[in-house]
Amino acid sequence: NAGVTQTPKFQVLKTGQSMTLQCAQDMNHEYMSWYRQDPGMGLRLIHYSVGAGITDQGEVPNGYNVSRSTTEDFPLRLLSAAPSQTSVYFCASSSWDRSGYGYTFGSGTRLTVV
Amino acid sequence: AQKITQTQPGMFVQEKEAVTLDCTYDTSDPSYGLFWYKQPSSGEMIFLIYQGSYDQQNATEGRYSLNFQKARKSANLVISASQLGDSAMYFCAMREGPGNTPLVFGKGTRLSVIA
Repeated sequence: NAGVTQTPKFQVLKTGQSMTLQCAQDMNHEYMSWYRQDPGMGLRLIHYSVGAGITDQGEVPNGYNVSRSTTEDFPLRLLSAAPSQTSVYFCASSSWDRSGYGYTFGSGTRLTVV
Repeated sequence: AQKITQTQPGMFVQEKEAVTLDCTYDTSDPSYGLFWYKQPSSGEMIFLIYQGSYDQQNATEGRYSLNFQKARKSANLVISASQLGDSAMYFCAMREGPGNTPLVFGKGTRLSVIA
């Protein structure tokens, strides 16, 4: 099925460990982004990319790295996990459609750092 | 300053009644888009409705309509004939500028539909 695929769906990390959250889309969308969702805070933008080779920081980029080597993939790396990074992470991609720029979200990754 | 403000942390509505979820936004860009998403307890983000800043008419999608008041910078979501399945978190979001730009979200409103 076309859409945005995030893996894993759940992950538990120990403080200081590193990991990569995967995000892939098969809709040939140029724009991709990562958000984190915390209770009472809505979704906050971490990083985004307007095309392969181009990334930029969002509202809460500290502690996270991204790269965009292909149109399809936009992985999010946590270099040294901290309990403050416990959150639900969403990847989204976007392109122009009949309703303007439509955004498609992945199903989310629930990350717990202990 | 917050770009998107949702002032109702929680709302209750009786089944079959209509409910309005408030959203105000802040931008100086003449080109922008406004979105509403639903997030049920299962966690996925479900797109509901979109309003472009140059759209002359209020957007409607089935039981959802967007009450767009440009001068007041408000984009309230109206759900008609509420159903139990409408119980969820609802997020208002905005994209600024003419291109493909990031969405900025409000903090959300939790709607509970009562039988």
